[in-house]
Amino acid sequence: DAGITQSPRHKVTETGTPVTLRCHQTENHRYMYWYRQDPGHGLRLIHYSYGVKDTDKGEVSDGYSVSRSKTEDFLLTLESATSSQTSVYFCAISENGRSYQPQHFGDGTRLSIL
Amino acid sequence: KQEVTQIPAALSVPEGENLVLNCSFTDSAIYNLQWFRQDPGKGLTSLLLIQSSQREQTSGRLNASLDKSSGRSTLYIAASQPGDSATYLCAVCGYSTLTFGKGTMLLVSP
Repeated sequence: DAGITQSPRHKVTETGTPVTLRCHQTENHRYMYWYRQDPGHGLRLIHYSYGVKDTDKGEVSDGYSVSRSKTEDFLLTLESATSSQTSVYFCAISENGRSYQPQHFGDGTRLSIL
Repeated sequence: KQEVTQIPAALSVPEGENLVLNCSFTDSAIYNLQWFRQDPGKGLTSLLLIQSSQREQTSGRLNASLDKSSGRSTLYIAASQPGDSATYLCAVCGYSTLTFGKGTMLLVSP
């Protein structure tokens, strides 16, 4: 168990509202990631972090922002949610410090934008 | 751009069968390849990681092989059990990217 907790686990909201998803880890790993998983697309990287206040964009970063003010917390924000952002969101961490290779995943947040 | 394909998309077998899941990728310039398992409503669990210099890795009833030159990897599951039912994903690690396949959904019936 890599000690990854995602919150909330489920959320339903309306188009245009802001949404923040939280990922919390207990083991002080440097690298953290946010992915989305959609049918027909597999897993796609949104943003990742390589330290406090150090973040970078992934493949599908448009419409998303992230913040990491503490090692243990990585937040994903949808500033103005759209229906195309309905998805399952996964947080992941890397134990060995390789920037692009997550190894442990949280259980996901199922987000529905109506 | 790396593309990863997993065949078949779904597979149903009776308990006890040996089975093979396939993963192919288009760019052979890879760092390593990883196999994951995903249970319904859960995140991914790493099963095996094969470095580009290796040919195979084994963990219990699982054996993963890698043929980098032909852009192929296989995951062999011996003596399948109902508890093996899950979606299996392969992920190809390039020098700056990680690309996932869409997965094979496996159902092992008692």
